[in-house]
Amino acid sequence: DGGITQSPKYLFRKEGQNVTLSCEQNLNHDAMYWYRQDPGQGLRLIYYSQIVNDFQKGDIAEGYSVSREKKESFPLTVTSAQKNPTAFYLCASRDRGDSPLHFGNGTRLTVT
Amino acid sequence: QKEVEQDPGPLSVPEGAIVSLNCTYSNSAFQYFMWYRQYSRKGPELLMYTYSSGNKEDGRFTAQVDKSSKYISLFIRDSQPSDSATYLCAMYSGGGADGLTFGKGTHLIIQP
Repeated sequence: DGGITQSPKYLFRKEGQNVTLSCEQNLNHDAMYWYRQDPGQGLRLIYYSQIVNDFQKGDIAEGYSVSREKKESFPLTVTSAQKNPTAFYLCASRDRGDSPLHFGNGTRLTVT
Repeated sequence: QKEVEQDPGPLSVPEGAIVSLNCTYSNSAFQYFMWYRQYSRKGPELLMYTYSSGNKEDGRFTAQVDKSSKYISLFIRDSQPSDSATYLCAMYSGGGADGLTFGKGTHLIIQP
């Protein structure tokens, strides 16, 4: 089955630690995205990548970093510089052109 | 003024009713319009994808776009308890690879 796999589903970390969220897709999509979802705030774009070894900041990139070394993988690192890291993180991908986004099932990150 | 406005609800209707969900937007450049359904602790699932103005039907779901009024709707006929979820509208101007602009979502409850 083609799809987007995010792992782990739940992640717990202590304040001050960096943490990396995994996103893998087998849809052969060119573009990949990371969104953050908070209650009452909707989805906000963190980073996106159109092609391997290239990525752009979204609306709320501060405190986050990404890499795109392989077409199928787009990991997100939440650094200790992110002031409010506790959130639901969603990875998405899109085929070329103006096709819609397809989402993974998210990672719930809790930082205490 | 926010780019996309969507009533957060909750919207509670009895089983079998017709449901109407709506979004308004301010950016006249938007050309591609999507509706996603999101169950609790899951990623958004694409329901409908339309280009420009007009109607699109898929089973019990109908999407309407009125670009002149900057207004989009999703109708659900013969609503079922399994339709209880948060519905997100999303839109995009096209031609680039940046992300979608989302509404904050409407929480829908179908009462058995």
